[in-house]
Amino acid sequence: DAGITQSPRHKVTETGTPVTLRCHQTENHRYMYWYRQDPGHGLRLIHYSYGVKDTDKGEVSDGYSVSRSKTEDFLLTLESATSSQTSVYFCAISEGSEAFFGQGTRLTVV
Amino acid sequence: AQSVTQLGSHVSVSEGALVLLRCNYSSSVPPYLFWYVQYPNQGLQLLLKYTSAATLVKGINGFEAEFKKSETSFHLTKPSAHMSDAAEYFCAVSEVDSSYKLIFGSGTRLLVRP
Repeated sequence: DAGITQSPRHKVTETGTPVTLRCHQTENHRYMYWYRQDPGHGLRLIHYSYGVKDTDKGEVSDGYSVSRSKTEDFLLTLESATSSQTSVYFCAISEGSEAFFGQGTRLTVV
Repeated sequence: AQSVTQLGSHVSVSEGALVLLRCNYSSSVPPYLFWYVQYPNQGLQLLLKYTSAATLVKGINGFEAEFKKSETSFHLTKPSAHMSDAAEYFCAVSEVDSSYKLIFGSGTRLLVRP
């Protein structure tokens, strides 16, 4: 398995609180991505990174921010969590022809 | 923007029967195409990929897919379903830019009846 670790794996948080999810890779891949998975929608891209400090928005970026200060870490922050952000979040890494996915983080906003 | 359509949110087959999961993409330029499988409470695992080489692509666990440019399709097949194939399957296309972003279909849950 590709070396991708997501933390935490599960989190319950209250509406309005900030939340940070972490993705850590040991593969030294250039590209990193955050997706959310919701029933009937497949996976949708939130943000992605193409290098240290180089990030861009995806399809569903509103309410989310990211940071990548090191090649191996890609952080996803919900500045003020809302119930609509209850979802399963997946990190992925890639060097171009294939993406590898982490195990996911199940986030519940109550 | 590219899009991916998977026909049928649920497909049910008998064990030993043919599996056919449909995927159509929208792109005027042949993109990279992928099929991923997701087992319950797990991440996504790559089944197979098309990257402009052979149009018939063989993957893991006996699955294969055929790229048909004229039909903009990339359907996934397996000759004989096994109980262990029960999972959710996602078709995805890679953006034809330098970001390699994946655009996913909404997924098809495969049920295998004994």
